[in-house]
Amino acid sequence: QKEVEQNSGPLSVPEGAIASLNCTYSDRGSQSFFWYRQYSGKSPELIMFIYSNGDKEDGRFTAQLNKASQYVSLLIRDSQPSDSATYLCAVNRGPHGNQFYFGTGTSLTVIP
Amino acid sequence: NAGVTQTPKFQVLKTGQSMTLQCAQDMNHNSMYWYRQDPGMGLRLIYYSASEGTTDKGEVPNGYNVSRLNKREFSLRLESAAPSQTSVYFCASSESASGQYFGPGTRLTVT
Repeated sequence: QKEVEQNSGPLSVPEGAIASLNCTYSDRGSQSFFWYRQYSGKSPELIMFIYSNGDKEDGRFTAQLNKASQYVSLLIRDSQPSDSATYLCAVNRGPHGNQFYFGTGTSLTVIP
Repeated sequence: NAGVTQTPKFQVLKTGQSMTLQCAQDMNHNSMYWYRQDPGMGLRLIYYSASEGTTDKGEVPNGYNVSRLNKREFSLRLESAAPSQTSVYFCASSESASGQYFGPGTRLTVT
């Protein structure tokens, strides 16, 4: 079983819609949960992290965590064509929280 | 603040050649990492260094060696390159559990 699983997509949404990206993880010892955005040919960029159950909002982005279901999601409101990218989910654990595990990413396309 | 820098950006090697990928960070982070990214495989951890003076193997360490030269610098060495090592290599750094910051990557082709 993979540590972190994501639907590879591609996911297409019209401009202005809400994009919903989902991720599940296998180890209940996972501590924090991260979303990265990766544009084609570029490196991953950290956009949000969450470590408590519930929602965390940052501008148009909302991360949602449900530890009981081992599920984390990212909502992008008012999607823009510039949001078109691959979104990577990651978790961390270990005594210093420095062991990170990544999903393979979901490709998002926002259609103008 | 440059963040995480990597050199070179591109490299072509012949099978059997050696090379060292350089990485430096100016964020005073304790932990540094080397990943490779291949289509459909996601990011795979090669080696990481939790702090200066320590290194540990990740998921795919075979064929690679690392050196944590000081707190800022973490290098990755390919002693005898193989076509299977054709990939994009990313260095990253982190402080505690706040997430990782990635360098721009090195695109390596081994022929």
